[in-house]
Amino acid sequence: KQEVTQIPAALSVPEGENLVLNCSFTDSAIYNLQWFRQDPGKGLTSLLLIQSSQREQTSGRLNASLDKSSGRSTLYIAASQPGDSATYLCAVLNQAGTALIFGKGTTLSVSS
Amino acid sequence: DAGVIQSPRHEVTEMGQEVTLRCKPISGHDYLFWYRQTMMRGLELLIYFNNNVPIDDSGMPEDRFSAKMPNASFSTLKIQPSEPRDSAVYFCASSPGTGNRFRQPQHFGDGTRLSIL
Repeated sequence: KQEVTQIPAALSVPEGENLVLNCSFTDSAIYNLQWFRQDPGKGLTSLLLIQSSQREQTSGRLNASLDKSSGRSTLYIAASQPGDSATYLCAVLNQAGTALIFGKGTTLSVSS
Repeated sequence: DAGVIQSPRHEVTEMGQEVTLRCKPISGHDYLFWYRQTMMRGLELLIYFNNNVPIDDSGMPEDRFSAKMPNASFSTLKIQPSEPRDSAVYFCASSPGTGNRFRQPQHFGDGTRLSIL
């Protein structure tokens, strides 16, 4: 059974710092991996989607990498800003494309 | 464009009462998903529809839960009778029909925060 773990559960950093959020999954047979952002009281917003054949995706200050063989993904946020404060969730889609499994998220707080 | 719209945003009711959650997906999206989020279990898929037809309801926890999609612009998730352990945030999401249902980014509503007393 696929399990997705995100460490740390919470992270506090000062504005301007570069940071890395981690996601690990137990079954490397995945179709893609997705990173989402969730603001308090809101739904999820898709940030980046990495296909299993890809190593990384970039969008602005965000860069997500994928190492399928080791079951790991990282979300790198450059020059963090208070507006980046939110919970970040990763999710993996199984190879058959029938199940999207979410981690419990990392809650990020960026102080000004 | 309007996103996924859920109502109500908050619902507080007593155990045993019927609860109905509503969702309007993004126009033109062929897939609709219902999720439940709790601190203990995180985000879990309950059921999803393709072109108004339920495809996989294996995540529905019990027979007390039911979902319908009478047309392309409306879906309901009903709990009858409700229990305190049903307290959670329920999300609806939709995605385009191109390719596999999970291979396109899903667009989430803001959720319904449900509290069963």
